[in-house]
Amino acid sequence: GAGVSQSPSNKVTEKGKDVELRCDPISGHTALYWYRQRLGQGLEFLIYFQGNSAPDKSGLPSDRFSAERTGESVSTLTIQRTQQEDSAVYLCASEEASNTGELFFGEGSRLTVL
Amino acid sequence: QKEVEQDPGPLSVPEGAIVSLNCTYSNSAFQYFMWYRQYSRKGPELLMYTYSSGNKEDGRFTAQVDKSSKYISLFIRDSQPSDSATYLCAIAGTYKYIFGTGTRLKVLA
Repeated sequence: GAGVSQSPSNKVTEKGKDVELRCDPISGHTALYWYRQRLGQGLEFLIYFQGNSAPDKSGLPSDRFSAERTGESVSTLTIQRTQQEDSAVYLCASEEASNTGELFFGEGSRLTVL
Repeated sequence: QKEVEQDPGPLSVPEGAIVSLNCTYSNSAFQYFMWYRQYSRKGPELLMYTYSSGNKEDGRFTAQVDKSSKYISLFIRDSQPSDSATYLCAIAGTYKYIFGTGTRLKVLA
């Protein structure tokens, strides 16, 4: 596709349910990032994938959060047993290679946990 | 201390004004400096990228980096209502990008 695609764009769920968010990066981009953006706050780094290397998971806030990416394709971010504080916009970005300075962001998945 | 500090605003200016947006950072290991613009309910998009001290100009936008003071700025000349958005500074060392909280800018027609 022309840009980074994320789905769902909006998700409302009940506390305790699991959610899965999907990111389809720009074809050929080797690097993929997940960020969380809470209302009125900056982007909080969650996880980084680069090709087939082991991902950097240092930003995941708890073991309820996990992410996968197969090769250089689609990535999924899974949040288990959601809590109200998980409510945020989850942004995915891809990059052609490391350190280009240009991350291409999707429009985000807005998660609301009731 | 946060790695990047940015005044969240909001900042309201009249059309045609010069806007100055600023960030400070704490770790001199960071070598790459960026400004992203984020419209409401959209993902951020890259506006300016630089890796050296000094000024970089692109149309009405100028990015300024002072590595000795660990200070980065974005200047917008002749601001337009279409510039109304949140502006996020970002710094990077290796692959990890650290973003500021963003400054919300409103340019009044």
